[in-house]
Amino acid sequence: SAVISQKPSRDICQRGTSLTIQCQVDSQVTMMFWYRQQPGQSLTLIATANQGSEATYESGFVIDKFPISRPNLTFSTLTVSNMSPEDSSIYLCSVEGGTGGRNTEAFFGQGTRLTVV
Amino acid sequence: LAKTTQPISMDSYEGQEVNITCSHNNIATNDYITWYQQFPSQGPRFIIQGYKTKVTNEVASLFIPADRKSSTLSLPRVSLSDTAVYYCLVGDGNFNKFYFGSGTKLNVKP
Repeated sequence: SAVISQKPSRDICQRGTSLTIQCQVDSQVTMMFWYRQQPGQSLTLIATANQGSEATYESGFVIDKFPISRPNLTFSTLTVSNMSPEDSSIYLCSVEGGTGGRNTEAFFGQGTRLTVV
Repeated sequence: LAKTTQPISMDSYEGQEVNITCSHNNIATNDYITWYQQFPSQGPRFIIQGYKTKVTNEVASLFIPADRKSSTLSLPRVSLSDTAVYYCLVGDGNFNKFYFGSGTKLNVKP
């Protein structure tokens, strides 16, 4: 299994500012994923981050708002830019699991609880 | 990607068996069915995954009929600590780019 550490675990930010969330994995992984979970809601995939290439964003999410870095196989960051209260959510990092040619599960971090005031 | 439909919530009592059914009518040939559990303030945790028939592990069983258009997660003898949201996901087993549905909020009562 993979152990994922996210920083910060929570933060309260002023609208118009930006926050960078870090995700550290204890093993090398090819793909990392960023999700958003709004209060009382399910998880929504934001983007897929592969090392050495630009992140792939899902419909409704753009790079200018959620820039992602993936400098190596164990680390990624997600920035929430120019924040508004609507960005208040839990942001989760996820990595692929399993071995061989087929991955059997995904591992998730504890999440970063963001409140924008 | 195949969309999933689950009951929004379920109630149960300690010691009972709980069965949560998920519909995925548009499942593709190479799609696997995976279930996750999420407690408040935690990330989702993998429970079980299957392709067809029945899969069992130390925490749950997964029943998948021949047409694979639905699946049932079975939790034997639930306890209060099983109170959580359970998500059914369907996707290509080659990577874990999962699209979460609404999930089922299970409330286990004493």
